[in-house]
Amino acid sequence: GEDVEQSLFLSVREGDSSVINCTYTDSSSTYLYWYKQEPGAGLQLLTYIFSNMDMKQDQRLTVLLNKKDKHLSLRIADTQTGDSAIYFCAEGSSASKIIFGSGTRLSIRP
Amino acid sequence: GAVVSQHPSWVICKSGTSVKIECRSLDFQATTMFWYRQFPKQSLMLMATSNEGSKATYEQGVEKDKFLINHASLTLSTLTVTSAHPEDSSFYICSAEVWGKGPTTEAFFGQGTRLTVV
Repeated sequence: GEDVEQSLFLSVREGDSSVINCTYTDSSSTYLYWYKQEPGAGLQLLTYIFSNMDMKQDQRLTVLLNKKDKHLSLRIADTQTGDSAIYFCAEGSSASKIIFGSGTRLSIRP
Repeated sequence: GAVVSQHPSWVICKSGTSVKIECRSLDFQATTMFWYRQFPKQSLMLMATSNEGSKATYEQGVEKDKFLINHASLTLSTLTVTSAHPEDSSFYICSAEVWGKGPTTEAFFGQGTRLTVV
């Protein structure tokens, strides 16, 4: 069945770049998403990429998609303490068809 | 963007009682809302699709008599956990479907409800 996998934890130093990786199985997904969940808050859509794209950049965020390997990554440049959160990778075709990974908890150390 | 509000944010209830969780779209109308459940260190699992004015569609393995969903208006869907047991303790989160700028729909999520059954 469809599956999305990502590592559970990532720790980076403030100011460094964070790279969160994800693998997925459904090659028919139209979109690949990155959501952010801060403590006590809901999921916030950070960015998404169409499955026919290789890269998308939005300010400090860079998404890379390797469709052949079904690998998605999120790079956060100049990581700040406010970036501490759980980041969910997800694949899907619409709001009704989103499969989430288990989330990567990003912690920032001084 | 569209705002989805979920209430309560957390609730503790006794085993055997029922708990109602509300999901509201604040500045838009949502014909379709979704209910997810998240166990610790696991991904969000879709429980059911809530359709305004009709019965909810449940995913395989989800008990419809235990998790009652009502979508009586275009801005409110409720999830009632009936006769709650400790194994129902989890994080429940809703989302609303919105037509975005692209060719397909987008999902906007509530802040989630942490349910603890004691």
